[in-house]
Amino acid sequence: SQQGEEDPQALSIQEGENATMNCSYKTSINNLQWYRQNSGRGLVHLILIRSNEREKHSGRLRVTLDTSKKSSSLLITASRAADTASYFCATDLKAAGNKLTFGGGTRVLVKP
Amino acid sequence: SAVISQKPSRDICQRGTSLTIQCQVDSQVTMMFWYRQQPGQSLTLIATANQGSEATYESGFVIDKFPISRPNLTFSTLTVSNMSPEDSSIYLCSATTSGGPDTQYFGPGTRLTVL
Repeated sequence: SQQGEEDPQALSIQEGENATMNCSYKTSINNLQWYRQNSGRGLVHLILIRSNEREKHSGRLRVTLDTSKKSSSLLITASRAADTASYFCATDLKAAGNKLTFGGGTRVLVKP
Repeated sequence: SAVISQKPSRDICQRGTSLTIQCQVDSQVTMMFWYRQQPGQSLTLIATANQGSEATYESGFVIDKFPISRPNLTFSTLTVSNMSPEDSSIYLCSATTSGGPDTQYFGPGTRLTVL
């Protein structure tokens, strides 16, 4: 089964609203990475958070990591229509040599 | 960061044929990987491409079906052999670089349709 499970599977919001999606995983990680994918194209790397970090920011993105709960969240603030995409979390497992295990993804629709 | 290119970007192939996908990275690379994304699904790791030696395949993927080469640090190929419609997917290569060994960058993907 997939290491990461994402929730919700789909999210529809109005432009300007915030979007929050969650990722849960099962085993110890080195780091967790979030990616964006537009319409079945390549993945764009958004942010990496290490296992010893609790929160990171990048522009309108905020990522948290709770290793005790084995979960992470991605918050997109003040969303724009251009944020419409699928968002994936991926875990880099300890002793897995940089191999990533992806969650199922959250499809976000931002309506203008 | 790294810029990764893939060729072809898309192809439509007949059942029973093979397609080779190329992946080129513009910077010093430590690891290279190949993933498959079936329609509407998430990404699944096919294999780790090892320079100068056989790739390391994940469970469910075999060399006869997905032969991989990595002749140098920045270039790799994935061949999808004896294709069937079930092989219709997006195939993506990724790489980690010496400048940021944990961050994994992805190519734009190759969209394969098998008729």
